[in-house]
Amino acid sequence: DTEVTQTPKHLVMGMTNKKSLKCEQHMGHRAMYWYKQKAKKPPELMFVYSYEKLSINESVPSRFSPECPNSSLLNLHLHALQPEDSALYLCASSRGDRESGYTFGSGTRLTVV
Amino acid sequence: DAKTTQPPSMDCAEGRAANLPCNHSTISGNEYVYWYRQIHSQGPQYIIHGLKNNETNEMASLIITEDRKSSTLILPHATLRDTAVYYCIVRVATGNQFYFGTGTSLTVIP
Repeated sequence: DTEVTQTPKHLVMGMTNKKSLKCEQHMGHRAMYWYKQKAKKPPELMFVYSYEKLSINESVPSRFSPECPNSSLLNLHLHALQPEDSALYLCASSRGDRESGYTFGSGTRLTVV
Repeated sequence: DAKTTQPPSMDCAEGRAANLPCNHSTISGNEYVYWYRQIHSQGPQYIIHGLKNNETNEMASLIITEDRKSSTLILPHATLRDTAVYYCIVRVATGNQFYFGTGTSLTVIP
């Protein structure tokens, strides 16, 4: 298995809803990442998990809450989002060493109404 | 934290070589250069990476200057399916982060 799987592919949520994005990989990668991408912009790093521990939070608002239950799973819990949070959310994983590249999922297209 | 500079857009005729430049003048000696592409809001796709030497794989070639301050991605025979945004990324040496620059939007013209 050489893929990163993200679910759901599309999500529409209200500003008072709570939802979660899910990311899964079975490549034995020990680092996992969340990125946010607005239209016509490059992906922006949000969080880095290394060996299931949060190692980097790029000053992301607390309405985004990451969770890494095990080495294969990464979740992003969403609560009280704003319409400007609508974006493509990308998950990626890597071996975690200095040379290893990232494998990206196909993303979750989130719309906040 | 993006450490790369790329032209915002380029055109290339189908069947010709596409040469995409990237400037990374502040690169450190142990930082790798990676190239990814993103087609129509799909997830970014790995193309190639290198440290000092030129690299080639089935998708592309990567030419890194001797001083490592710039590199060029070469798609030897561009097809319409190569139309995408191409990102040159310098991997941060001290951590696991990829920071994307603004990328180059490549359009392959029939």
